[in-house]
This record gives sequence, C-alpha cells and structure tokens, in this order.
Amino acid sequence: EPEVTQTPSHQVTQMGQEVILRCVPISNHLYFYWYRQILGQKVEFLVSFYNNEISEKSEIFDDQFSVERPDGSNFTLKIRSTKLEDSAMYFCASSLPGQGRETQYFGPGTRLLVL
Amino acid sequence: GNSVTQMEGPVTLSEEAFLTINCTYTATGYPSLFWYVQYPGEGLQLLLKATKADDKGSNKGFEATYRKETTSFHLEKGSVQVSDSAVYFCALRGNFGNEKLTFGTGTRLTIIP
Repeated sequence: EPEVTQTPSHQVTQMGQEVILRCVPISNHLYFYWYRQILGQKVEFLVSFYNNEISEKSEIFDDQFSVERPDGSNFTLKIRSTKLEDSAMYFCASSLPGQGRETQYFGPGTRLLVL
Repeated sequence: GNSVTQMEGPVTLSEEAFLTINCTYTATGYPSLFWYVQYPGEGLQLLLKATKADDKGSNKGFEATYRKETTSFHLEKGSVQVSDSAVYFCALRGNFGNEKLTFGTGTRLTIIP
C-alpha cells in the first residue's frame, strides 16, 4: 500500500541553524501539508500546498518557514534559523485531488530537537 | 474558528472492555470528521471518517457516528484488545475551501490483559 515517507526520522540541531525536513508524498496525490506536534500538545497545522504554491498557512508559519516541491516527488519544509520552541514532531501529509481531498495520509514524522 | 474538544486521558481499560472516547466539535457549515490513531513510535494513521451528518465511520471494530444535533463524533469499540493501545485523535476538516485538519488533544488509551 502506498505511503508517505519522511526523512530523517530524527534530527538534532543547534539553535540558529537551518534545517530541511523531507517528505515523499503518495505519488498520485496533489495536495501536501505540514503539521507539527510539540511534545504533549495538539497536532497543529502549519501549511498546505497545491499547484506549486501555498494555499493556506497558519500563524505559526512565519518568515522562518518555507516549503518547496523541488522535483516531482519530494516536498520539503525548511526552517531558516531554528529556535528552541521549534522542537517538535513534524508530520507531512498528502491527499488526492477531487472528492478524495478530505482524507489526508500522514507520514511517520521527523522528530526535531533544537538545542 | 474550528475547534475539537476531546476526552482527556489517559484511559486504562481491561481487555474486552467497552470503549468510548468522546469528541465534540465547533465548526461552521458541514465539516468532515475523522479519527486518527498513533501507535507507539509511529505516525498518524487514519482510523475512520464520516463526511456528512448521520454517517457512521467504521474500521477494525471501531465506530463513530457524525451527530450534527449534538456536534459529536464519539469513538466506540465493543471489545478492546491490548493491540488497541495507542493515542487517538479526533479531527475535523472544514469546508468552504478550508483544507486544514483541526485536531483534538489526543487520548492515550492503554489496554491491560
């Protein structure tokens, strides 16, 4: 069964460093998303992406964050200058176009620790 | 804005017990409703969904009915197993072009043999 994959599974970085989290969505999906879950808290929406542009973003998704689909398979989340409070589990998700859009399929997550 | 209120955990049950995890929501229009499950060390997996009022989603013995009159989507299972131990998240997706999922806080369920 096709699934969303994410790399790396864990990343440790120093405050102020840039990190890139990578995702490979399910191949025929056209909508892509990033969410994060700070330890012990809710899963929060960050951004949605369709047709090579951001379709919606949350207040969390400030200028330090960016997303890109650099080729036909990858979808990346970049954090330019990490802060301690960026430590979280980051989930990528994707969904089909059309009527299947309401169902989002999640990857296993990348656990980011900022020191 | 949209919000989901979910039963606080943790919940501990004996094997074969009946499970209910409460979920209520606030949203405009007619959202789609979901239950996701997160097993230890894994990502979020879709458990079941319902896209309109009175729909019942079901999977792996779990059920939830979309009740618009009570704005609820409670998760139930008649006889839980140790393998059901996980964190369960209720979520909604709004309409009117709003794509994002809004999650509840999650309920940690532990089943003891």
